Amino acid sequence: AQTVTQSQPEMSVQEAETVTLSCTYDTSENNYYLFWYKQPPSRQMILVIRQEAYKQQNATENRFSVNFQKAAKSFSLKISDSQLGDTAMYFCAFMKLNRDDKIIFGKGTRLHILP
Amino acid sequence: NAGVTQTPKFRILKIGQSMTLQCTQDMNHNYMYWYRQDPGMGLKLIYYSVGAGITDKGEVPNGYNVSRSTTEDFPLRLELAAPSQTSVYFCASRQGATLYEQYFGPGTRLTVT
Repeated sequence: AQTVTQSQPEMSVQEAETVTLSCTYDTSENNYYLFWYKQPPSRQMILVIRQEAYKQQNATENRFSVNFQKAAKSFSLKISDSQLGDTAMYFCAFMKLNRDDKIIFGKGTRLHILP
Repeated sequence: NAGVTQTPKFRILKIGQSMTLQCTQDMNHNYMYWYRQDPGMGLKLIYYSVGAGITDKGEVPNGYNVSRSTTEDFPLRLELAAPSQTSVYFCASRQGATLYEQYFGPGTRLTVT
């Protein structure tokens, strides 16, 4: 069974700093997707970034980028020039490519951006 | 385009009561999912559906039932509510095929006392 582990329950950084959130996963699959979801206080789940396992190039979305290390089964999220609006829970998630495409979520990292 | 809508937003149930959480999507998505999120935890899959008339169990299906009579609707039924079902419930949908992003509803906060 797949598992997703986020080892940092909570983090705080100053506004404008760069922060990296860690995620490791366990799978025997070769084809899968990895995601980072953001959940602000509103509770809405928002997709931040997505990485296809077959792509070697790390995904980027504006200030958000990932460091995908397939052999190490590591998928960290880097937030550059952090903003107060980045304050949220961040969930790492794994999805293997099959009929149902279920997503397995980590327990989350609570990120506080301090003014 | 309303996306994924859920009703109600909040509900308090007494132990042993039943209720249905409604989920509707207007994006013509084939795949729909129900998750629960316990305090300080990630989301766990309860049930999912890959199309109208097809449903299957997820990680934590006990105490719940679902149906999928239309593409748009995917209600979640709680029978004999228990305190362990106190949680926030999220519905999500996805187009399917090669489109992997799941779109989430705003959630329903349920308390069983």
